[in-house]
Amino acid sequence: AGLTQPPSVSKGLGQTATLTCTDDTNTVGNQGAAWLQQHQGHPPKLLSYRNRNRPSEISERFFASRSGNTASLTISRLQPEDEADYFCSTWDSSLNVLVFGGGTKLTVL
Amino acid sequence: QLLLQESGPGLVKPSETLSLTCTVSGASIITKTYYWGWIRQPPGKGLEWIGTINYGGNTYYNPSLKNRLSISIHTSESQVSLSLSSVAATDTAVYYCAMALVVGDLLFWGQGTMVAVSS
Repeated sequence: AGLTQPPSVSKGLGQTATLTCTDDTNTVGNQGAAWLQQHQGHPPKLLSYRNRNRPSEISERFFASRSGNTASLTISRLQPEDEADYFCSTWDSSLNVLVFGGGTKLTVL
Repeated sequence: QLLLQESGPGLVKPSETLSLTCTVSGASIITKTYYWGWIRQPPGKGLEWIGTINYGGNTYYNPSLKNRLSISIHTSESQVSLSLSSVAATDTAVYYCAMALVVGDLLFWGQGTMVAVSS
């Protein structure tokens, strides 16, 4: 799997941002994609499991979805603290490897 | 609460071996449903998966690092270790350990430790 994410996305405060993660194989379509958020100087935080469920402490403003080999993370009602880097990842069970996308820098204007 | 703490030398010379330890507290390291992973992030760049180990010692390695890499689990010390040989400047990164309930879904992360490779 090779996961492609747009390098940057900019949206206004209170708006909705949709981040995408496109796989050049069927891995995301079969295994799903997890989403992580990383603020500068901090470790990543898991926002969504590959099955699109959220860990208990994650806001419902973060919604993961999938269509074919493209996974998406929709962030509604954007807040200043949402400004961060976002990474997708998937587990390729045929090769037993974890693959990360290159990440998207989200700017909240 | 599960806590992961990475430790190791901040500076390693080229061609030497990098050794890091992840100390786990708040959970049993040999819980059957847990996977322990190592991930690194070069300065200003994205995340790179290094490898994963489960409670039984089964390992999964990044093919690009496999020939230089060893990950082990040390149950009595509640630690997961990483050994990367023949390091070069391209191995300079923040190294994280993380725990997954499902392999590939990295739920808990340590704070990371910066390792520079330089003479």
